[in-house]
This record gives sequence, structure tokens and C-alpha cells, in this order.
Amino acid sequence: AQSVAQPEDQVNVAEGNPLTVKCTYSVSGNPYLFWYVQYPNRGLQFLLKYITGDNLVKGSYGFEAEFNKSQTSFHLKKPSALVSDSALYFCAVRDSYSGAGSYQLTFGKGTKLSVIP
Amino acid sequence: SQTIHQWPATLVQPVGSPLSLECTVEGTSNPNLYWYRQAAGRGLQLLFYSVGIGQISSEVPQNLSASRPQDRQFILSSKKLLLSDSGFYLCAWSVQGRGYGYTFGSGTRLTVV
Repeated sequence: AQSVAQPEDQVNVAEGNPLTVKCTYSVSGNPYLFWYVQYPNRGLQFLLKYITGDNLVKGSYGFEAEFNKSQTSFHLKKPSALVSDSALYFCAVRDSYSGAGSYQLTFGKGTKLSVIP
Repeated sequence: SQTIHQWPATLVQPVGSPLSLECTVEGTSNPNLYWYRQAAGRGLQLLFYSVGIGQISSEVPQNLSASRPQDRQFILSSKKLLLSDSGFYLCAWSVQGRGYGYTFGSGTRLTVV
């Protein structure tokens, strides 16, 4: 079975400060990890993914995420937050193990990011 | 390039009325298709997924049904809407393969009154 946890319902950060949105996962095999962003009344937009290779993944809008296998984490980061980054962020995982339902992504419950001017 | 279309964007329906939401994908063949519901702007609830024409899997027993009459068309339906069916409905597609994520439609805001 695969699962993902986003321990923070909300993250507040001042504009210009670095931001981190946390995500931890559980899988049987190797993880495929994704981050999505959702603006109000819009669909989810893909930010970045980790499949294999370099543990630091760079994505859209200046976001990056660090894969840490020992801590089973995939935290989303940005060096300098913008007010326009305020949105709902979802982490998702897919297990490489070939089991029933393994083609499905499992999403976290979402973290609301508020960047304060 | 691949695109996903979902309509309508907003819908207000009375309790007991039928529902039909449509989602179509362009630029790809044999996609996996998904319907999600999102309540109060938070977590996603997977309602249905489909790996091929006529193949529908239901994740949650409810007042809704889904159909896939064509390879790139996915329809969410209800015969009689309930107040609890209100929410934000999202369609998504993915390539069949584990290294790929989902691409989401723009969503439908359904309000049952």
C-alpha cells in the first residue's frame, strides 16, 4: 500500500523569506513523487516530480524539492516566497511495486500556503 | 500536444435533478481517466477511474456513476442529486505507466440547492 502525509494544514511565510512545505510518504517499492499546486477554483497544476536520479529536483515557478530516502520525505522548497505563491499544495506518490492499484497516484490532504506581504 | 477539457465550469442544480459532467482528452490514446471530488477546497476524493472503454472502477459507494463511451471521453452522472453532492469536481488523465503524473482539467463547481 502507498500513502502520503502532509503534516501541516497551513503554512504562513513572509514575502521574500524561504518556504518549505512538508511531505512524507510510505511505499513498498521505490517511490515516484509529485508536487501539484492549486489556485482557487482551478484544477491542479504540475510543479515537479522525482522518479530517479538527483535528489534535488527543480520545477516550475522557482520551486524545488528534495528527495530524502532515509527520512521518506519529499519537501517542497523555494528560496524566496512571493505573494503569488499563495495557494493549495498537494504532494502525491506512486509505488513502483507492481501491485493492484499501483498505477494510481495517492494524494496528500493538501497544505495551504499563505505568503504575507 | 495533449489537452483536457472539462465542462461546465459552474453548475447550480436543484435537489433531485439529474447530472451530467463531461471530460474529454485530446492528443493521446488509451489514457487512464479519473474523476475526483474536492470539498471545501481541501483534500481530493477519488470517485472513479477508468483504464479503457467501458472499464469503470468505483472507489466510493455513492449517488454518482461514471461512463466511458469513447476512448477519450469520461462522463460523471447522477439520476437524482443530493445536497451532499455539492463540491468541486475534477477530471484528470494520465499515460499508462508509473512514471507519469496526472493532468487535471479546470474543474466544475457544482452547487446543489
